[in-house]
Amino acid sequence: NAGVTQTPKFQVLKTGQSMTLQCAQDMNHEYMSWYRQDPGMGLRLIHYSVGAGITDQGEVPNGYNVSRSTTEDFPLRLLSAAPSQTSVYFCASRTSGSSYEQYFGPGTRLTVT
Amino acid sequence: SQKIEQNSEALNIQEGKTATLTCNYTNYSPAYLQWYRQDPGRGPVFLLLIRENEKEKRKERLKVTFDTTLKQSLFHITASQPADSATYLCASSPNSGNTPLVFGKGTRLSVIA
Repeated sequence: NAGVTQTPKFQVLKTGQSMTLQCAQDMNHEYMSWYRQDPGMGLRLIHYSVGAGITDQGEVPNGYNVSRSTTEDFPLRLLSAAPSQTSVYFCASRTSGSSYEQYFGPGTRLTVT
Repeated sequence: SQKIEQNSEALNIQEGKTATLTCNYTNYSPAYLQWYRQDPGRGPVFLLLIRENEKEKRKERLKVTFDTTLKQSLFHITASQPADSATYLCASSPNSGNTPLVFGKGTRLSVIA
């Protein structure tokens, strides 16, 4: 099992560019989520999905889109990058049911100039 | 609004001592609390889960308590070692349904040899 994988590991964007952060898991988990982590702010939920075809917004969804066409993949799209989106992004997955542990990917460090 | 807070941003202790980290919650009654460890440049890793009807949970040198009266969970590492140095995050959800985890900001533990 590879667990949760994320690509790329590092990315630099210019303001206004768009890109997609990839996330995949091979544990057949129904639940997947995206967090961003900033110094002093902790992990903040961007979007989450309880299964293929179902997504919902988290605490900080503005400027991001998600889709879930398969159980395995949950890409995060930045529509028009802004410096405020400079952060470390983590994808996570778990079995359905919120008491179960979450498995996190290694993260993507994004810098927007 | 529902909050989960870790009041100490950083904690320094001597090797061999017991480290105690605190997690408080306000405006809701979580059915459980989870604790994660995060090393620099990596994603969080699940350590322990404690449910509201459990007073204490242990795993090797780790112990977690859950006090619903004080609205608090304590995370203890006994006989601490420099390898225990990391950031520790607590997390919970307002209910045990399929809802997102909310994380505290974390406490950075440094164990000094």
